[in-house]
Amino acid sequence: DAGITQSPRYKITETGRQVTLMCHQTWSHSYMFWYRQDLGHGLRLIYYSAAADITDKGEVPDGYVVSRSKTENFPLTLESATRSQTSVYFCASGEEPRTQYFGPGTRLLVL
Amino acid sequence: SQKIEQNSEALNIQEGKTATLTCNYTNYSPAYLQWYRQDPGRGPVFLLLIRENEKEKRKERLKVTFDTTLKQSLFHITASQPADSATYLCALASGSNYQLIWGAGTKLIIKP
Repeated sequence: DAGITQSPRYKITETGRQVTLMCHQTWSHSYMFWYRQDLGHGLRLIYYSAAADITDKGEVPDGYVVSRSKTENFPLTLESATRSQTSVYFCASGEEPRTQYFGPGTRLLVL
Repeated sequence: SQKIEQNSEALNIQEGKTATLTCNYTNYSPAYLQWYRQDPGRGPVFLLLIRENEKEKRKERLKVTFDTTLKQSLFHITASQPADSATYLCALASGSNYQLIWGAGTKLIIKP
């Protein structure tokens, strides 16, 4: 029972490179979310999706792109990585927005 | 602006005692509030949700209170155990907004 998975779990990249973080859920949840978590800050919403082909910006969307062609997948792309995007990224899903089930996270380091 | 605050200092509690964590918010009228647990290197795990019209919610050794006048929620763990050691996050949302507003979390350490 994988539930929700993220890949890669760890990623080191260089400034300016494009990076894609993957998120896959097996529950067929309608809603999916991408957050970043930085020390001393609460989770901050980057993008969310209410269904396949429906996405919307969260609190901190700049520099990120998402897509959702299938219900179970919600990839997050950093088009040109910057050092300020070094963070831990969490994907979450839920049948409704209120209760969210989180993946294990991806630790991203941008050099 | 909307703000949600949790004690940034770690809370050290002796095993068997009740641990109480605080979540305060300003400039917000949430329809509900949630508490999550996060272990190191892992994603948050949902624990409890309490609605604005509910004063208290319980689940096993966990109890959450919600005071919309004080703009505060308290999260209690009774008969605490070392396995309860983790960071606890609170999150608020309005009824029609998909976006949860998260506190930075409080680290709880239960000492044997």
